[in-house]
Amino acid sequence: EDKVVQSPLSLVVHEGDTVTLNCSYEVTNFRSLLWYKQEKKAPTFLFMLTSSGIEKKSGRLSSILDKKELSSILNITATQTGDSAIYLCAVEAGWAGNNRKLIWGLGTSLAVNP
Amino acid sequence: DAGVTQSPTHLIKTRGQQVTLRCSPKSGHDTVSWYQQALGQGPQFIFQYYEEEERQRGNFPDRFSGHQFPNYSSELNVNALLLGDSALYLCASSLWGPEQYFGPGTRLTVT
Repeated sequence: EDKVVQSPLSLVVHEGDTVTLNCSYEVTNFRSLLWYKQEKKAPTFLFMLTSSGIEKKSGRLSSILDKKELSSILNITATQTGDSAIYLCAVEAGWAGNNRKLIWGLGTSLAVNP
Repeated sequence: DAGVTQSPTHLIKTRGQQVTLRCSPKSGHDTVSWYQQALGQGPQFIFQYYEEEERQRGNFPDRFSGHQFPNYSSELNVNALLLGDSALYLCASSLWGPEQYFGPGTRLTVT
């Protein structure tokens, strides 16, 4: 059965700390891995990763995929209270057409204290 | 450019009742997916609609049904509501590829 596991499930840090969130997967025919940030309601898209070893960066956030280890990390440097959210990882898997699907992890709940 | 919109925002229903949730996709998007998210959980895929047909379905009972209209908007219907159906229901739209844009969700409470 396809699965996506995120760790840790929750994390509390102080402003200015650097955090690393993990996402590992076991799926049939991996296609891409996506990171989302969910604050109050709607998850918002952060990154999509398809190639191993290529870092994607947006401001203080960065992410990289390791297809050999079947995992990805999301780094947040110099954290701010506005980074407090649930970070979701989703993996697109399956064959062409109707068999493609997104499998979601449970998320990592990050709390950044001032 | 309007993003994904959902209605209503909140809803309270009684066990056994039926409910209809609505979603309008982001402009230009033709695919709509519905998710159920319980507190502390990641989104659980219910189904996806494309060209007015259900293209994929997650592991949800037949009490959950949907529809997509020619303008790509969509409805999620849940019959014979159970207490366990209480959750945030998210609609997401996409054009092609896995990147999805989410609406604000409908919070359903079943009492």
